Amino acid sequence: GENVEQHPSTLSVQEGDSAVIKCTYSDSASNYFPWYKQELGKRPQLIIDIRSNVGEKKDQRIAVTLNKTAKHFSLHITETQPEDSAVYFCAASTKNYGQNFVFGPGTRLSVLP
Amino acid sequence: NAGVTQTPKFQVLKTGQSMTLQCAQDMNHNSMYWYRQDPGMGLRLIYYSASEGTTDKGEVPNGYNVSRLNKREFSLRLESAAPSQTSVYFCASSEVGLVSFFNEQFFGPGTRLTVL
Repeated sequence: GENVEQHPSTLSVQEGDSAVIKCTYSDSASNYFPWYKQELGKRPQLIIDIRSNVGEKKDQRIAVTLNKTAKHFSLHITETQPEDSAVYFCAASTKNYGQNFVFGPGTRLSVLP
Repeated sequence: NAGVTQTPKFQVLKTGQSMTLQCAQDMNHNSMYWYRQDPGMGLRLIYYSASEGTTDKGEVPNGYNVSRLNKREFSLRLESAAPSQTSVYFCASSEVGLVSFFNEQFFGPGTRLTVL
């Protein structure tokens, strides 16, 4: 079945710097890769996603890149702000459990003022 | 629209007690899910319901049962709670398109469960 690894587990950056979180997946059939942000005590919320027919997608300060050959995808946050501090989860689609996702273990991002 | 709602928000049980977590969505989604979230382990799927009237096991189903009461509601039951079931439980829903077309999952606010 699908296995998703995520690195680093914790990341601290200075406000205004960039942050990069990387994920790898194992199932070559995976074709949808969402990223969720979870603030402390809150529910996970989708921030960006990418499908396998594109290599990069941007939304303001957030971008995601996908390398299907290497089976890895990354989240890039530019000009980080304190409100970017949260836990970020990557996920990859799987058909093992209907149409569902396997989530990575998460990255705790701290943006220091 | 309230989106996805869950009750209760917090619960403390003793080992062996039973309880049901409730989930409802008002987005007319076909698919609903129950996850548990433990530190350092991300979100793990317990059970899912692809459509009204169907339920299937996910990655970690042992010790749980579910009921898809109607299109809106999907409940999770712990028949005999164990300390290993201490976790935060999230319900989610999504609209699933064609066979290989995935969509965003919308999450509820979560239930923090402690089993003593």
